[in-house]
Amino acid sequence: NAGVTQTPKFQVLKTGQSMTLQCAQDMNHEYMSWYRQDPGMGLRLIHYSVGAGITDQGEVPNGYNVSRSTTEDFPLRLLSAAPSQTSVYFCASSYWDRANSPLHFGNGTRLTVT
Amino acid sequence: KNEVEQSPQNLTAQEGEFITINCSYSVGISALHWLQQHPGGGIVSLFMLSSGKKKHGRLIATINIQEKHSSLHITASHPRDSAVYICAGTLMNYGGSQGNLIFGKGTKLSVKP
Repeated sequence: NAGVTQTPKFQVLKTGQSMTLQCAQDMNHEYMSWYRQDPGMGLRLIHYSVGAGITDQGEVPNGYNVSRSTTEDFPLRLLSAAPSQTSVYFCASSYWDRANSPLHFGNGTRLTVT
Repeated sequence: KNEVEQSPQNLTAQEGEFITINCSYSVGISALHWLQQHPGGGIVSLFMLSSGKKKHGRLIATINIQEKHSSLHITASHPRDSAVYICAGTLMNYGGSQGNLIFGKGTKLSVKP
């Protein structure tokens, strides 16, 4: 059981480049989400999804796009990277609307934009 | 002012001590999460609760809905408990047990042998 798999683990981009952070889960979770973690700021929700075809914005959505075409995958796209997007990114998933359903996190992606 | 406040920011304890980390929130939430982030960066969910108290091993989490306050207790602390502990709330205006989560900035715990 792989849980939540994030790739890549590390990435360096130049300003203006685009890339996609991948997130996949094999637990049939309806809920998937992306967070960024910055020093002194804590974790902040970027986007989330409660099922295939359904996405919504979190606290800091600007500069990021998501889609959810399957239950398993929830990629995060940076269309034109900026230095302000240098951060550690985490993906998480869980069952939706179930009592005691914990969040399962991926191992994170450390992104540097120069 | 952050909508989810944790205290203390940093905590150093001796092995065996009883530890309490506090979380207060100023918005309506439907669930409160406690997470643990290890020095290597991985994040693990410890508890999710919407009322009362939960216990898992040496960890106890409580929540007081009226006072908008939650606590995480660690009994008989051990150096392997050293980590950052994060509380997060699921905003009440969304259905389900997940949805729009807001986070505290974390409490860094160091347990000395």
